[in-house]
Amino acid sequence: GIQVEQSPPDLILQEGANSTLRCNFSDSVNNLQWFHQNPWGQLINLFYIPSGTKQNGRLSATTVATERYSLLYISSSQTTDSGVYFCAVDGDYKLSFGAGTTVTVRA
Amino acid sequence: DSGVTQTPKHLITATGQRVTLRCSPRSGDLSVYWYQQSLDQGLQFLIQYYNGEERAKGNILERFSAQQFPDLHSELNLSSLELGDSALYFCASSVGPRDYGYTFGSGTRLTVV
Repeated sequence: GIQVEQSPPDLILQEGANSTLRCNFSDSVNNLQWFHQNPWGQLINLFYIPSGTKQNGRLSATTVATERYSLLYISSSQTTDSGVYFCAVDGDYKLSFGAGTTVTVRA
Repeated sequence: DSGVTQTPKHLITATGQRVTLRCSPRSGDLSVYWYQQSLDQGLQFLIQYYNGEERAKGNILERFSAQQFPDLHSELNLSSLELGDSALYFCASSVGPRDYGYTFGSGTRLTVV
């Protein structure tokens, strides 16, 4: 199956800082999504981004499908950005998830 | 609200028991996926249904089974429960069997005691 690697595994930020999360995947994919899991366990869909760049407020994402990686940018981080960020790719009728990046934003 | 409804939100049960988790997909979505998230295994794909038919199977135990009904809702049945089955179980839906965006429900947190 497709392997998904996320880095870094943990990230501690001061409120207002910017950060970049990376996702590498081992094969070509039809779909790539970024999710945020909040402290209550909910998985919130951030981006559907199999290629190209998208922006949503302080978050943006870029996927370079030919080089098999995606980046998630968080700008001007807030404490509400804390949680686990997952990258997931679609291969063979299912989403395969990375292990996640745990982000802690300190006030 | 993502449009994918899962019930119950929390479930506490004893070892050896059987439980049923329910999922209603987003309106218009024909595919339903079940995932298990445990502390040591991360998010693991269990099974997928498309329009009532099983399409793909992942690391689903034989003690677990699922089905999708004509109205497209799905149920995941977990039997002979063990302590290690304690996890967050997510349902997701998409329009087609291999599609362009999966939407997740809020999950059912199962605790086996």
